[in-house]
Amino acid sequence: LAKTTQPISMDSYEGQEVNITCSHNNIATNDYITWYQQFPSQGPRFIIQGYKTKVTNEVASLFIPADRKSSTLSLPRVSLSDTAVYYCLVGPLDSSYKLIFGSGTRLLVRP
Amino acid sequence: GAVVSQHPSRVICKSGTSVKIECRSLDFQATTMFWYRQFPKQSLMLMATSNEGSKATYEQGVEKDKFLINHASLTLSTLTVTSAHPEDSSFYICSAKRSSGRFIEKLFFGSGTQLSVL
Repeated sequence: LAKTTQPISMDSYEGQEVNITCSHNNIATNDYITWYQQFPSQGPRFIIQGYKTKVTNEVASLFIPADRKSSTLSLPRVSLSDTAVYYCLVGPLDSSYKLIFGSGTRLLVRP
Repeated sequence: GAVVSQHPSRVICKSGTSVKIECRSLDFQATTMFWYRQFPKQSLMLMATSNEGSKATYEQGVEKDKFLINHASLTLSTLTVTSAHPEDSSFYICSAKRSSGRFIEKLFFGSGTQLSVL
């Protein structure tokens, strides 16, 4: 499984756009990139998943460059409730897939 | 959307007792479930992979006799912490894999169980 590297923490203010970048230099051809959000004392929650280029849903966008060695989770206009830990995971979506979590990025949104 | 129910959400027990944690997939069948533990301010650590109808696969360093996993049906996996000790106190999280044929659509997580061993 490709190892991921993320910033340990980030600070932001309400209303700003937050971009969290994840490095995965050893990503394999059949690996997908998935981002999860975790609040204290809760299980992780799926945010977004992609393979290449750009993916957008109602809560976030995911930008993946052509070489796929990194990805950026973009959260538009964050609010206090977006304060959480964000995990970037990389792996194949087949029967052997098991999620191995890295250290994650602790995002603090200030008023 | 798919929901994974984990119970109990919090348990306090005496040292030496056993504790069972249940993980249910409510609206889909999960042939595979995963169990994680998480210490404060740390990431999730995969403990084991639970496969319906077969023995669980444990990650290196996880004692299989200490953490008993049973996946007797397509919607239920249980983790039993046997003879619990204070160092077993942690946040335990399960996840269930929803598959479409050979490919995984998504992994869904339970809300976690906070175990405190006195």
